[in-house]
Amino acid sequence: AQSVTQPDIHITVSEGASLELRCNYSYGATPYLFWYVQSPGQGLQLLLKYFSGDTLVQGIKGFEAEFKRSQSSFNLRKPSVHWSDAAEYFCAVGTNYGGSQGNLIFGKGTKLSVKP
Amino acid sequence: DSGVTQTPKHLITATGQRVTLRCSPRSGDLSVYWYQQSLDQGLQFLIQYYNGEERAKGNILERFSAQQFPDLHSELNLSSLELGDSALYFCASSVGTSEVDTQYFGPGTRLTVL
Repeated sequence: AQSVTQPDIHITVSEGASLELRCNYSYGATPYLFWYVQSPGQGLQLLLKYFSGDTLVQGIKGFEAEFKRSQSSFNLRKPSVHWSDAAEYFCAVGTNYGGSQGNLIFGKGTKLSVKP
Repeated sequence: DSGVTQTPKHLITATGQRVTLRCSPRSGDLSVYWYQQSLDQGLQFLIQYYNGEERAKGNILERFSAQQFPDLHSELNLSSLELGDSALYFCASSVGTSEVDTQYFGPGTRLTVL
């Protein structure tokens, strides 16, 4: 069955420190992978997505993610965290039906807290 | 601002009641998706419409139904509400059904069932 696992429920990092949020997926075909961010009381905003090609994907707000097929992972990274990055982060895999886009399957999310 | 609008923002109602949540997709988007976010289940897909037609169903209860109208807005109807239906309901839209189309999410409707 298709699934997404985010092993860390809550992570705290100091402002200016580097960040890596883990994501593992289970999907039979070539995965389409996404990272979304949800700030308190807000909707989901797309940070970046991977469909094919270069396995290192650049996104908005200085985030990047690396697709590793051998590890079924799509970890999100940022070299220097800002206080405004405090939010909940969701990894998702896109399903498809015969080449057409289907719904997203989300992980449980990782809540990021940033210490001053 | 994603361009997807949802109304109302908050909804408080009682068990057994029926409510309707409304979603307007981004201009030009033909696909609409409904998701439910709850503390215990996380973000779960409910149903997808494309250009007025139902395309896919997820973990949507029989008490819930949805439709997409000719102007492409969508409504999610929740009936015989239970305490466990309290959640944040998101609508997302995408241009079409290509796998490379991004789903843009609205701000959500927070439903509280008392």
